[in-house]
Amino acid sequence: KAGVTQTPRYLIKTRGQQVTLSCSPISGHRSVSWYQQTPGQGLQFLFEYFSETQRNKGNFPGRFSGRQFSNSRSEMNVSTLELGDSALYLCASSLPSGSLYNEQFFGPGTRLTVL
Amino acid sequence: AQSVTQLDSHVSVSEGTPVLLRCNYSSSYSPSLFWYVQHPNKGLQLLLKYTSAATLVKGINGFEAEFKKSETSFHLTKPSAHMSDAAEYFCVVSASNQFYFGTGTSLTVIP
Repeated sequence: KAGVTQTPRYLIKTRGQQVTLSCSPISGHRSVSWYQQTPGQGLQFLFEYFSETQRNKGNFPGRFSGRQFSNSRSEMNVSTLELGDSALYLCASSLPSGSLYNEQFFGPGTRLTVL
Repeated sequence: AQSVTQLDSHVSVSEGTPVLLRCNYSSSYSPSLFWYVQHPNKGLQLLLKYTSAATLVKGINGFEAEFKKSETSFHLTKPSAHMSDAAEYFCVVSASNQFYFGTGTSLTVIP
């Protein structure tokens, strides 16, 4: 099976712009989670989608949003970019909850740099 | 509430010597616990997982971890460090459809 793929791998934007990141989960996985990783804050949970519905949300401002499509692919959007949004954004997919093997499989990430 | 504490932010070992990365957790439920590794500029890779079966869990690349409920610990060990083990390691507890990450332990392997 192909792994989790994320596009693009690298992005450079300027403050005030918006950005959309894409994630394709492993085939058969219906849950997709997004994380922000920075040197200062570590790995922080953004949100999780399951069957096109946001099931969990972390403590991020409303500028961060996401969605999931019927094929389980997911996008996240960040509007009005700030310098502090520079980070590695990781997407992870997993089988639905209740599975004994609900580990998350991570993509390689999208490196976002805000200038 | 769920949380994970990785007791060491940095660990340095010599090649060929044992590795111990410490993790304590807090969970309201019977937890699922994981260790992930992240090499520089790469995504996270699952090393091993505990899901209430055997308390001693064996993972990839010679790593293993022991679940100790009485100590709420899930320490990661390896008998002999290899240069390729140098990376960031994350202990994770899973509950309520969320993953709760520790702050990570950076492992340095000295030749």
